[in-house]
Amino acid sequence: DVKVTQSSRYLVKRTGEKVFLECVQDMDHENMFWYRQDPGLGLRLIYFSYDVKMKEKGDIPEGYSVSREKKERFSLILESASTNQTSMYLCASSTGTLYGYTFGSGTRLTVV
Amino acid sequence: GIQVEQSPPDLILQEGANSTLRCNFSDSVNNLQWFHQNPWGQLINLFYIPSGTKQNGRLSATTVATERYSLLYISSSQTTDSGVYFCAVGKSGANSKLTFGKGITLSVRP
Repeated sequence: DVKVTQSSRYLVKRTGEKVFLECVQDMDHENMFWYRQDPGLGLRLIYFSYDVKMKEKGDIPEGYSVSREKKERFSLILESASTNQTSMYLCASSTGTLYGYTFGSGTRLTVV
Repeated sequence: GIQVEQSPPDLILQEGANSTLRCNFSDSVNNLQWFHQNPWGQLINLFYIPSGTKQNGRLSATTVATERYSLLYISSSQTTDSGVYFCAVGKSGANSKLTFGKGITLSVRP
């Protein structure tokens, strides 16, 4: 089975800190995605990547950046964390076949 | 962008009952997926179904792309079916970014 691993399940950071969320997949997928999930708003796309060193903005990229130096790893960076970035962050990968997306278990980030 | 509406927003069932969850979308799509989020937050892909009908055990899904809707059927529901069901659509094939609906919260009572 494809596995998507997010480095932390729970994270607490202070306002203004630079935060790194890591996501690793083990099945050589080309496509990787970062979403955030908030009550009442569902899942919203932050950034995605179709290849190494390639990135595209999603619907809510402000305050975030990403890095994809290796195919298996896609990092989400909060340049200066703010309280409105408190959320559940979900990483997904896809190989573009009939199997669709595979999600990681999520990182619940609290910014205080 | 594409609008995705799911209904009903909440559903309570007695164990053993059947249910139909609906997803309407505002534009033509060539990627549609259904997900189940369990109470621990893990999202599991149920179906990749941009058109047609698929079945997997007690679950089945039908997408009528020309009429811009998809249905997820759950038969003989079990308490483990509880959670949130999301429909998500995309316009660029299987690799495309997905736009998610707000989800349907299902509670199955023993």
